[in-house]
Amino acid sequence: GAVVSQHPSRVICKSGTSVKIECRSLDFQATTMFWYRQFPKKSLMLMATSNEGSKATYEQGVEKDKFLINHASLTLSTLTVTSAHPEDSSFYICSARDLAGDYGYTFGSGTRLTVV
Amino acid sequence: ILNVEQSPQSLHVQEGDSTNFTCSFPSSNFYALHWYRWETAKSPEALFVMTLNGDEKKKGRISATLNTKEGYSYLYIKGSQPEDSATYLCASRSYGGSQGNLIFGKGTKLSVKP
Repeated sequence: GAVVSQHPSRVICKSGTSVKIECRSLDFQATTMFWYRQFPKKSLMLMATSNEGSKATYEQGVEKDKFLINHASLTLSTLTVTSAHPEDSSFYICSARDLAGDYGYTFGSGTRLTVV
Repeated sequence: ILNVEQSPQSLHVQEGDSTNFTCSFPSSNFYALHWYRWETAKSPEALFVMTLNGDEKKKGRISATLNTKEGYSYLYIKGSQPEDSATYLCASRSYGGSQGNLIFGKGTKLSVKP
């Protein structure tokens, strides 16, 4: 079945630095990938839709300059948290849709970001 | 604003027990209801995608039903096993939203004791 690989699984960074999270679709092409964030005891919330070869679409309230998304190929999307602050500490997870499959959206395993 | 609610928040059962959880979602503009099984440190695993009122799907010991008119779905696990321990997420997708905008519930955390 469809697999999405997400790295790193866990990262600790200092305030003010930037962190890049990668998501790769391993056995299918993903023209669109989705980035979610989950705060403790909350639901997964869609942050942005990453479109191959074009600009990402951000949900209301998500700062596009803070969360840079690049989707340069059909199998890779990256999320860069720029000038990270402690309030950016969260769980970030991506998903993609394998249009050939029956099960909708395939998720990565997520990234736990801690900003100190 | 759509709200997806799941209950119970957590559940502890003995091996062999059958159990069920509830997912409620707004019924207006309904498009699809997704169920996922999510083990710690792993990717959420898709269980079912349901679209039609009255849908009933089954995968091994796990089954789900869908009522789009009243806005609820039940997930059933028959004869729970320790390996069923996970968080079960449901997510609703509506017409008109961006295609990735699955509205998730907070999940039901199931623990099955041997």
